[in-house]
Amino acid sequence: QVQLQESGPGLVKPSETLSLTCSVSGGSVSTNYWNWIRQSPNKGLEWIGFIYDTGSTVYNPSLKSRVTISVDMSKNQFSLRLNSMTAADTAVYYCARGQQLGRYWGQGILVTVSS
Amino acid sequence: DIQMTQSPSSLSASVGDRVTITCRASHSIASYLNWYQQKPGKAPKVLIFAATNLQSGVPSRFSGSGSGTDFTLTISSLQPEDLATYYCQQGYSTPLTFGPGTKVDLK
Repeated sequence: QVQLQESGPGLVKPSETLSLTCSVSGGSVSTNYWNWIRQSPNKGLEWIGFIYDTGSTVYNPSLKSRVTISVDMSKNQFSLRLNSMTAADTAVYYCARGQQLGRYWGQGILVTVSS
Repeated sequence: DIQMTQSPSSLSASVGDRVTITCRASHSIASYLNWYQQKPGKAPKVLIFAATNLQSGVPSRFSGSGSGTDFTLTISSLQPEDLATYYCQQGYSTPLTFGPGTKVDLK
């Protein structure tokens, strides 16, 4: 059974960089597609991007200038960095598996941007 | 980007009612359409994948239909545990996009 678990800070200051990690069990990050998605009351569910083939990435054009997704195969984890955070980036952040998404999602982590 | 719309945005129904939610894509997405159920404080849970396929473990009262641009999620007999928000999501092209959601509550 594949399981995903997000970790990282729940509070980030404006202009700082958010760093989140998704730990994967029951599957290898060296295969398949690994996504970040976020959800806010204002924007709903928003796909951030995915990483596949141990390092190829596709990002949402709306966030592309600020996003980096990377993978650490030694720890079976993948990560999200989102820079220049503003209040508009306050959301629940999810990691998920699959090129079209689907069954495997983490439980989500609430990230608040505030000074 | 492919825009996803849903109707209605909310509905009230009684236990046992047949409930239908529609989803429309701005461009053809073949059958690359997932339906999710989300309850407060939880991650979305996939109900239907590839437009018509019931995810393992999901009750058979849920069904999906459609292809191209128009899709439907049907709950054949609404149960109390079905009260939630339902989202469609296209997996045809990046950026992957979601509908705005349909909130289902009890009449």
